[in-house]
Amino acid sequence: DAGVTQSPTHLIKTRGQQVTLRCSPKSGHDTVSWYQQALGQGPQFIFQYYEEEERQRGNFPDRFSGHQFPNYSSELNVNALLLGDSALYLCASSLVRQPQHFGDGTRLSIL
Amino acid sequence: LAKTTQPISMDSYEGQEVNITCSHNNIATNDYITWYQQFPSQGPRFIIQGYKTKVTNEVASLFIPADRKSSTLSLPRVSLSDTAVYYCLVASANTGNQFYFGTGTSLTVIP
Repeated sequence: DAGVTQSPTHLIKTRGQQVTLRCSPKSGHDTVSWYQQALGQGPQFIFQYYEEEERQRGNFPDRFSGHQFPNYSSELNVNALLLGDSALYLCASSLVRQPQHFGDGTRLSIL
Repeated sequence: LAKTTQPISMDSYEGQEVNITCSHNNIATNDYITWYQQFPSQGPRFIIQGYKTKVTNEVASLFIPADRKSSTLSLPRVSLSDTAVYYCLVASANTGNQFYFGTGTSLTVIP
């Protein structure tokens, strides 16, 4: 039973570009959350998707957007990349009121 | 959602029991406490979850006093492989939301 898988594992972009990160949830999970983790910091909640809709959102600008597909997989899109967007982006899946299962993230570097 | 406070770092020798305390003064009646472990360049991994008194599983115990304003994660006989960052989260039983990771506690196990 595969856990949460994220792609790509590493990505290098330049300022102003756009990026799309992908996540496949653990089998049976219907809720996907995204986090940004800067070096030395705890994960910061970006948003959560359930039934293809954004259900909760953290304190992130509109440059960060997402989507959930009918098969529960999800994408995180970031527009107009800034140097400060360099981070590990984590995807977590769960069922409601159950612990989250995390992927190992996508390391995004902005040059 | 209640925020949490943990010590930034702790050191312990191999074979000792380690107790990491988390403060959550504003915990709501229906909230529960969840602990995660994170190794470098990996996603957080669920350790244990509880609502009150004591919960034990194969890797840890969680102690929650009657007022529930704090909780203590206990790791018995730690090994070098337990060196990691440990996060305490307060989750809403109503929504299942468990988003605020804080800065965590960096545990270093010394040979």
